[in-house]
Amino acid sequence: DTAVSQTPKYLVTQMGNDKSIKCEQNLGHDTMYWYKQDSKKFLKIMFSYNNKELIINETVPNRFSPKSPDKAHLNLHINSLELGDSAVYFCASRPTTGKLFFGSGTQLSVL
Amino acid sequence: GNSVTQMEGPVTLSEEAFLTINCTYTATGYPSLFWYVQYPGEGLQLLLKATKADDKGSNKGFEATYRKETTSFHLEKGSVQVSDSAVYFCALGAIQGAQKLVFGQGTRLTINP
Repeated sequence: DTAVSQTPKYLVTQMGNDKSIKCEQNLGHDTMYWYKQDSKKFLKIMFSYNNKELIINETVPNRFSPKSPDKAHLNLHINSLELGDSAVYFCASRPTTGKLFFGSGTQLSVL
Repeated sequence: GNSVTQMEGPVTLSEEAFLTINCTYTATGYPSLFWYVQYPGEGLQLLLKATKADDKGSNKGFEATYRKETTSFHLEKGSVQVSDSAVYFCALGAIQGAQKLVFGQGTRLTINP
């Protein structure tokens, strides 16, 4: 299937742990994104990569570090998890012109 | 900077009712405008878009018109169905290049049979 896929779908962890969320797209898109959706459903961009190069880096704690090994992958690593990091994280990709394609989300719960 | 404001939710309607979800924006330049929909348990999907003033985007019975004079892009549907229950996001951004989309806060819509 052609899609944006992210894993895991659910992630429950303790405060202080380090965790990663993986994202892969097989659509051949040049640009990938990470968005955070908070409990009020507000969606905020975190990072964007274009051909493995970081092009958007919003005001995000430096505990969050994106990694793009190739243009089809954009992983999100989070160090020293905090309660406030609990949210749904969406990966997305888009071609140079056109709409965003979203993954189905990773629900992160920090206990 | 660019920003999007949508009407507060949640919105609850009966089946076959008329729907309007308001969206207004502030932007520099001439961005494109979008409505995305998020069904329960899924990621966002593009519902419709408009790329210039007076354009009307439409899909699945939903419509929205790019109104530059009122800086608005309200979403409308004449007769909603239970299957339209979802969260709707208004967004703006460039349709070319790798620029980010700026999203509104989302409006949860529930349609009762």
